[in-house]
Amino acid sequence: ILNVEQSPQSLHVQEGDSTNFTCSFPSSNFYALHWYRWETAKSPEALFVMTLNGDEKKKGRISATLNTKEGYSYLYIKGSQPEDSATYLCALGSSNTGKLIFGQGTTLQVKP
Amino acid sequence: GAVVSQHPSWVICKSGTSVKIECRSLDFQATTMFWYRQFPKKSLMLMATSNEGSKATYEQGVEKDKFLINHASLTLSTLTVTSAHPEDSSFYICSAGSKGRSYEQYFGPGTRLTVT
Repeated sequence: ILNVEQSPQSLHVQEGDSTNFTCSFPSSNFYALHWYRWETAKSPEALFVMTLNGDEKKKGRISATLNTKEGYSYLYIKGSQPEDSATYLCALGSSNTGKLIFGQGTTLQVKP
Repeated sequence: GAVVSQHPSWVICKSGTSVKIECRSLDFQATTMFWYRQFPKKSLMLMATSNEGSKATYEQGVEKDKFLINHASLTLSTLTVTSAHPEDSSFYICSAGSKGRSYEQYFGPGTRLTVT
């Protein structure tokens, strides 16, 4: 059974702080790693899909890195804003079925 | 990104009744739709994979007669919780993907089901 772990489970930061979260996954038979942002009462929003070891992706103040050999991905938020408050999910993607196996998420609260 | 809608957003039903949840892809043709369930303080758990025009593939431990899935068109999949019981109360969420977007899935906003 594949296990995707995220840490920390929750995080409280002040506006302007930079922060990062971790997603750990089995390194064997890797296909794709997805990051989603999920705000309350909204649909999870796709942030990044990463497939290659060493991938780095950026979207505004948010960026992510991928290490498939050691089985982890980091999500960074630079200069956190209150609107960044959300649950951030990572998920391991399967090649032949499209299935996603999710971690339990990291809930970020940014205080003004 | 693509838009996926889900209806209803919340529903309360009595024990023993059946409830249907709809998942629609509004601006693309979804060859595959996925149904997830979220238990309190837990991750999204995949229940089944639904391919247009064929039977759904259920994950281990998910009762196919309890959770009926139909994917009759490229824009609509339905999940019917049959003879609902209080333990079926949960948050159900769908996602949609297509062959042309092989890595990406787009999620609906979810449905909160409460069975009394």
